[in-house]
Amino acid sequence: GQQVMQIPQYQHVQEGEDFTTYCNSSTTLSNIQWYKQRPGGHPVFLIQLVKSGEVKKQKRLTFQFGEAKKNSSLHITATQTTDVGTYFCAGLGNTGGFKTIFGAGTRLFVKA
Amino acid sequence: NAGVTQTPKFRVLKTGQSMTLLCAQDMNHEYMYWYRQDPGMGLRLIHYSVGEGTTAKGEVPDGYNVSRLKKQNFLLGLESAAPSQTSVYFCASRLFPGTEQFFGPGTRLTVL
Repeated sequence: GQQVMQIPQYQHVQEGEDFTTYCNSSTTLSNIQWYKQRPGGHPVFLIQLVKSGEVKKQKRLTFQFGEAKKNSSLHITATQTTDVGTYFCAGLGNTGGFKTIFGAGTRLFVKA
Repeated sequence: NAGVTQTPKFRVLKTGQSMTLLCAQDMNHEYMYWYRQDPGMGLRLIHYSVGEGTTAKGEVPDGYNVSRLKKQNFLLGLESAAPSQTSVYFCASRLFPGTEQFFGPGTRLTVL
């Protein structure tokens, strides 16, 4: 079945440093979504990428979707303490169906 | 709008006891999902529903049952709780595949 791998599992950074998390799918995706979960909270939708090679930005966050639509990345420039949390990618397969498969998430720790 | 709500927020069970988790959404969404979240394993899909009266198995359905008698409600049942079911349970809903998922606040369940 479809699998979505996400690395790294954890990342510790100093405030102001950059951060990147990577997501790889075993199959071609119809789209990929990114969610953020603050400690003790629930996942909250950040963005969705649909097109091959698509790049989207939200302030300091840059999201990319690979040309083959099998991988994606989230890059945060100059991290802040408010960026702390777990970032999940979630892929929807392109063979139909109703299930989005989540990666295991990358937990970001930011030291002030 | 309340969005997605879950009851209860916390619960402690003894092995062998049963319980039902309730998820309710007021966004008129067709698709609803139950996930469990365990450390280092991300969000794993238990069961899902594509509309009132329908249910389907996800990745980890064993030991759980679900019902969707009304469009706005999705119930998750544990007939005979086991310690391996200690987890945080999230309900989510969305309008249709490929749109963002809205998550409830979660239920923290401990089985002793």
